[in-house]
Amino acid sequence: GDSVTQMEGPVTLSEEAFLTINCTYTATGYPSLFWYVQYPGEGLQLLLKATKADDKGSNKGFEATYRKETTSFHLEKGSVQVSDSAVYFCALSKLYNFNKFYFGSGTKLNVKP
Amino acid sequence: EAGVTQFPSHSVIEKGQTVTLRCDPISGHDNLYWYRRVMGKEIKFLLHFVKESKQDESGMPNNRFLAERTGGTYSTLKVQPAELEDSGVYFCASSQDANGGTRGDNEQFFGPGTRLTVL
Repeated sequence: GDSVTQMEGPVTLSEEAFLTINCTYTATGYPSLFWYVQYPGEGLQLLLKATKADDKGSNKGFEATYRKETTSFHLEKGSVQVSDSAVYFCALSKLYNFNKFYFGSGTKLNVKP
Repeated sequence: EAGVTQFPSHSVIEKGQTVTLRCDPISGHDNLYWYRRVMGKEIKFLLHFVKESKQDESGMPNNRFLAERTGGTYSTLKVQPAELEDSGVYFCASSQDANGGTRGDNEQFFGPGTRLTVL
């Protein structure tokens, strides 16, 4: 079945460090891929998305490229800030079956000043 | 515009009791979803409403869970009787497209979740 696997956390970085959170997926067909972020005390917010192979989603300095050959959608940011501390979820949904998302287990990011 | 709201934010109950969670979607959103995150694991789909109708309830764990969506507006998720393994964070989400979706990227807007603890 369809599923998403993302790296275990927590990830602890110093401010201005480079961030990578790995995400791989298993799905038949052509899924759309997403990164959601949950800040403390808040709901999940869409961070970025990509709907087809080789698309790059980007927002707030974060980027992720849809790699079909490696079934991956790794999240990257060149220079993290303390305000980026949150839990990050990778997710997929499928065209004509977007009614539900398949999420990874979440990766908690702690950024220290 | 108000986002998705959920009530209560936290609930602590004893095994065997009943709990009802409420979700108010964004006004005008026909799609409403319930998800659950247990013990820091992945967020799992529970069910999906289109307006007042259940479109997909394949993720509901068992018949102790009952979801309703009165008049296609707010939704409730009742757990009766609650068991220890029901503890977790219950998220509600809504999205706009009511046509079954022709795009795979229909954004779902999430509420802050209800943290349920069953003792």
